[in-house]
Amino acid sequence: GAGVSQTPSNKVTEKGKYVELRCDPISGHTALYWYRQSLGQGPEFLIYFQGTGAADDSGLPNDRFFAVRPEGSVSTLKIQRTERGDSAVYLCASSLPGFANTGELFFGEGSRLTVL
Amino acid sequence: GESVGLHLPTLSVQEGDNSIINCAYSNSASDYFIWYKQESGKGPQFIIDIRSNMDKRQGQRVTVLLNKTVKHLSLQIAATQPGDSAVYFCAEMWGGGADGLTFGKGTHLIIQP
Repeated sequence: GAGVSQTPSNKVTEKGKYVELRCDPISGHTALYWYRQSLGQGPEFLIYFQGTGAADDSGLPNDRFFAVRPEGSVSTLKIQRTERGDSAVYLCASSLPGFANTGELFFGEGSRLTVL
Repeated sequence: GESVGLHLPTLSVQEGDNSIINCAYSNSASDYFIWYKQESGKGPQFIIDIRSNMDKRQGQRVTVLLNKTVKHLSLQIAATQPGDSAVYFCAEMWGGGADGLTFGKGTHLIIQP
C-alpha cells in the first residue's frame, strides 16, 4: 500500500530480551518520527529523523532505546534489555518536506509491544 | 512538561447531533494546533489544523475554534455519524515544529444510535 508500514504489528517478548521494530515510511517523505503510546494516553514523542540523521532524539527515555535510518528511508527502533514498562504501541509517522507548514503526520498502525 | 490536555475523557452523543470536544493548553508560545482522530487499532489521522493568528477554521463537517485569551481549543463535529466514533487528540506545535507534535491525552467520542 501507499501508507506507512510497520512490522511486526504485535510483538510479545520476555523481560530482558532485545527487540527491533521496523518502519517503512511513505515514499518521498524525508521526515520520520517515532512515538510511543501507552494505554489511554496520547502519543509521546521519541525521536525524529530528517533524512539519515537523528535531528532530535530528546524523547528517547534512556540508553536502552536506539533508532537508525541508515539510507534515509526505512527506520528501525531498537530496544535493549526490555522492561515491563516498555509495553506500549510504538507508532511511526512520516511527513513531507515542509512539515512545519502543515502539521500533518502520516501514521502507521503501530507495533504493539508486550513485555512479560 | 506536558501542557496539552483535554477536559473530558469520554463524550457520548446521539447520531446526528453535533459534538464539541474541548482542549486546554498552557504554553503561550504554542502557535500551531492540530486535531487528530484515532480509530481503534489504527494510527492517528490528521483532521484539521489552525494557526495562532486565526480564531476559527472550517473543514468538511468539522470546525476548530481557538481562544488564545483562555488558551482553549475546541473541535466541533456537525451531524455526527457512526464513523466518527474514535479518540480525538489535540496536539500543539511551536518553534517551527521540526520535533513533531505534543499530544494531549485524548477524548473518546461515542456515537449512540
